[in-house]
Amino acid sequence: GAVVSQHPSWVICKSGTSVKIECRSLDFQATTMFWYRQFPKQSLMLMATSNEGSKATYEQGVEKDKFLINHASLTLSTLTVTSAHPEDSSFYICSAASGSYNEQFFGPGTRLTVL
Amino acid sequence: AQSVAQPEDQVNVAEGNPLTVKCTYSVSGNPYLFWYVQYPNRGLQFLLKYITGDNLVKGSYGFEAEFNKSQTSFHLKKPSALVSDSALYFCAVRDFPYGNNRLAFGKGNQVVVIP
Repeated sequence: GAVVSQHPSWVICKSGTSVKIECRSLDFQATTMFWYRQFPKQSLMLMATSNEGSKATYEQGVEKDKFLINHASLTLSTLTVTSAHPEDSSFYICSAASGSYNEQFFGPGTRLTVL
Repeated sequence: AQSVAQPEDQVNVAEGNPLTVKCTYSVSGNPYLFWYVQYPNRGLQFLLKYITGDNLVKGSYGFEAEFNKSQTSFHLKKPSALVSDSALYFCAVRDFPYGNNRLAFGKGNQVVVIP
């Protein structure tokens, strides 16, 4: 149990285009989903926290208009990187949690490369 | 705010020898502590957690960790390392009841098990 999927697993896009990444909890209802960014050989940086049906809470320094997050259901959250640029190239990882006391379960990550 | 320190960048150990990965934390409330492992281009896999109860926690793949409140530590251990244990290990802490279910990650430790 507690499986989280991400789609796509990797994506290459041209500078200026928008890319949508999906995060799904497959066998549980995720009241809260988290989006992280990871640079090579570095730790995970929390970008935003989203609760189902409400606006995402962004961490300091993360542009809300750049990284659009939607958490429309208890099993799906999406991250859209708008007008992507090469500096947005990174490994994006989502996680999902149910309830206040449970651990986060992580997706396999999405490798974004912006040319 | 919660924080985690993983003081070493890389841990080298011979196959069959004991493996220890160090972690210390700082919280305002009660710590919920986690260890995750990450293989190249993959998301994080959950190893074990401490919420309450016995200080010695046993997890997946023969790993265990000991919660030490006085030293604010949660070191990860394995009695006999395998080559397949070579990976990136992250310690994480949630500050309960503060922190809004957010996890703070350490920088990660690269473990290299030498055949």
